[in-house]
Amino acid sequence: DAGVTQSPTHLIKTRGQQVTLRCSPKSGHDTVSWYQQALGQGPQFIFQYYEEEERQRGNFPDRFSGHQFPNYSSELNVNALLLGDSALYLCASSLFEDFNEKLFFGSGTQLSVL
Amino acid sequence: SQQGEEDPQALSIQEGENATMNCSYKTSINNLQWYRQNSGRGLVHLILIRSNEREKHSGRLRVTLDTSKKSSSLLITASRAADTASYFCATASNDYKLSFGAGTTVTVRA
Repeated sequence: DAGVTQSPTHLIKTRGQQVTLRCSPKSGHDTVSWYQQALGQGPQFIFQYYEEEERQRGNFPDRFSGHQFPNYSSELNVNALLLGDSALYLCASSLFEDFNEKLFFGSGTQLSVL
Repeated sequence: SQQGEEDPQALSIQEGENATMNCSYKTSINNLQWYRQNSGRGLVHLILIRSNEREKHSGRLRVTLDTSKKSSSLLITASRAADTASYFCATASNDYKLSFGAGTTVTVRA
């Protein structure tokens, strides 16, 4: 049973570029949440997707957008990259009714913006 | 901003000793969870305690919750080298997200 998978594992971009990160949830899960974790900090909630809709959004600018596909996989897009966007981006999945009970995390995508 | 704040920021203990870390939060919660993160990779769920519970055990883990003080503690007994990791508390309220603290980094020395 595959857990949460994220791709790519590492990514290097330059300021102003755009990036797309991908996530496949754990088998059977229908809800995907994205988190940004800066070095030495805890994960910060970006947004959550369920039924292909954004259900909740954290305090992130519109440069951060997402999508959920019918197979429950999800993408995180970041436009006009800034140096401060360098971080570990974590995807977490759950069943919608359990989203506040237990999240299953992927290993993350380490994004470096130069 | 972080909902939870862990204390201490870092902890170094000898193998076999107990490790205790604390979490304080600001708003009312439905439950509080603890997660472990090894080497900056994915987080692993350890234990959940609901707002109407005061103490919970799971293997070598003991969690307490004091809603009047808006605080929780995580105790790891008889620590092992494999317990070396960062530990995060996360609070769940009436919204669609978990709010994480900044974490406690635990180093277990052989």
